[in-house]
Amino acid sequence: AQSVTQLGSHVSVSEGALVLLRCNYSSSVPPYLFWYVQYPNQGLQLLLKYTSAATLVKGINGFEAEFKKSETSFHLTKPSAHMSDAAEYFCAVRSSGGYNKLIFGAGTRLAVHP
Amino acid sequence: DGGITQSPKYLFRKEGQNVTLSCEQNLNHDAMYWYRQDPGQGLRLIYYSQIVNDFQKGDIAEGYSVSREKKESFPLTVTSAQKNPTAFYLCASRWTESNEQFFGPGTRLTVL
Repeated sequence: AQSVTQLGSHVSVSEGALVLLRCNYSSSVPPYLFWYVQYPNQGLQLLLKYTSAATLVKGINGFEAEFKKSETSFHLTKPSAHMSDAAEYFCAVRSSGGYNKLIFGAGTRLAVHP
Repeated sequence: DGGITQSPKYLFRKEGQNVTLSCEQNLNHDAMYWYRQDPGQGLRLIYYSQIVNDFQKGDIAEGYSVSREKKESFPLTVTSAQKNPTAFYLCASRWTESNEQFFGPGTRLTVL
């Protein structure tokens, strides 16, 4: 069965500091991986996705993620945090069971302080 | 503007009542999905539909029902059989040829 683990339910950084949100996955097939962002009381917005092309994926708002097969990881990074980055972030893997179902991690809430 | 709309944004229900959440998309997507979000648990799949008049149970379908009579609409009914319905409900849709799911703004259901 596939699964996603996000290490750290809460992460706090200073404005201008590096953002690192961790995601590890379990999959018996080559995975399709996604990072979504959710602002309070809103839906999810796609930040970036890995679909077996380049291992370093660039997304919106300056975020990027690197697929590391040997570590089964897909960590999300941003060199310099902005106050507007404060939100909840979800890592997801596409299910191998068909219908493009997504399996989500529990989420990481990012706080950015001045 | 193309997108997914969910209504209402906030919904209050008394115990024992059924309630229907609306999801409409004008993106011409074939597939549609319903997720439930609870604090600290991420999103869990309730139902999904690949085409009109066809839908499949997800991981937590008990106490819920859906219909897909039109391509653009995928309403979710939360029945009285759902033991803990208070949650944030998200609808999503996808082109058949794409892996990306687009999400609506969500409906927050509170059972009083």
